[in-house]
Order: sequence, then C-alpha cells, then structure tokens
Amino acid sequence: DQQVKQNSPSLSVQEGRISILNCDYTNSMFDYFLWYKKYPAEGPTFLISISSIKDKNEDGRFTVFLNKSAKHLSLHIVPSQPGDSAVYFCAASARGNTPLVFGKGTRLSVIA
Amino acid sequence: DVKVTQSSRYLVKRTGEKVFLECVQDMDHENMFWYRQDPGLGLRLIYFSYDVKMKEKGDIPEGYSVSREKKERFSLILESASTNQTSMYLCASSYDRRRAETQYFGPGTRLLVL
Repeated sequence: DQQVKQNSPSLSVQEGRISILNCDYTNSMFDYFLWYKKYPAEGPTFLISISSIKDKNEDGRFTVFLNKSAKHLSLHIVPSQPGDSAVYFCAASARGNTPLVFGKGTRLSVIA
Repeated sequence: DVKVTQSSRYLVKRTGEKVFLECVQDMDHENMFWYRQDPGLGLRLIYFSYDVKMKEKGDIPEGYSVSREKKERFSLILESASTNQTSMYLCASSYDRRRAETQYFGPGTRLLVL
C-alpha cells in the first residue's frame, strides 16, 4: 500500500516553461514533506521542503505547494532549464520517529 | 556541508559471495539509512538505525543485515548475494529522529551480482 504516490512516471517540458510535478499521500499523520532531485549514478539531493503548518514554500525557481485537505503537494519549477532534467522524488514523514516515505519518482525532461 | 560517503561506486560480485557496503557520515548524525533504488520501484528502505548498535528493519530487509558499531559508520551486508540484489544502493543520514529532518544521501553504490 503506497502511502506516497507520484502518478506520473515521466514529464516532458519545454525550456523556459513551467514544470509541475505532483504527489499525493494517504497518511494523515504526515506533517513534513520534501522533494529530492536525482541525477543518474548519483545520490538524491535535497531540493525543498514544507511543513504542514504552511501551504507554500519558495526557494528561487522552486516552489512547493501543499493542500492538506486534498492530501496533495506539487513542485513548480519556473522557468525550467535543461539542467533540471532528473528524477524527482517526493517524500513525507510523520511526527514521532518514523523514516521518510518516498514516492516512486517522476522523470522530468526539459527540452531545449 | 554534510558529507555521506560510500566505500565503492561500482561493485561486481558473484552469486553466493558475502558483500559489505560501507557508509560513513561526518556530521555526527544520529540516524542512518540504507535504501535500494530500482527502475519503477523508487527508493525502498532496507534497514535504518537511530543509534549505535541499534537497527530497525525497513520495508525490504530480507537477504540483508546491517552493523552500526560506531555512530559515523553504517554497514550493509549481503550474506549470500543473489542476482535479484543487483541494484543501486544508497546510504543516507539525518540529524535527529525527534523532529522532522532532511536526509542527506551518499553517491550510491551500483552493485552487479553475476
């Protein structure tokens, strides 16, 4: 039973446009959410996070939106650049000492 | 900067061999984790540890064991490697289990079992 779902295995976007990556979760105990970016043959790197007390967090070109009632979060990348091409993992954790739960990832391709 | 290092980037082993994957972090983190990444399956948690000499099973512990004798080092052991253990293995660490924490990953070890 997947608690964190990334329903789009892949996404292709033109350079300069907005990329929107989506993530849904089922566990209402999750209160902290993260996005990681992974290039081939490298470990994932932390990109941005959001606490459940917020509905938006912004860092440069990256913005994460959280809709708690819908149990949905999204990552917006504006403008998209070819170097953003990678696999993006959504992750969530619940308070009280539990490991992160990861989605299966979405492969983003930004086309020049 | 947090640094998580893994002993090998690439490994080739034979079926039945005992395999050790080593992970070291230099930021005095309490928590350490081992994942494997396979196409279409994302990151799956094998084992984790919140303290020295302590370990917890993750989602897919079968065929693996771990050792944490020192705070900075977390080893993953494949007692008898099998071809279905061919994968990318990722180690991660985080500071404190009592609050939500970002995990930092090593570069990964790509293991091929023949």
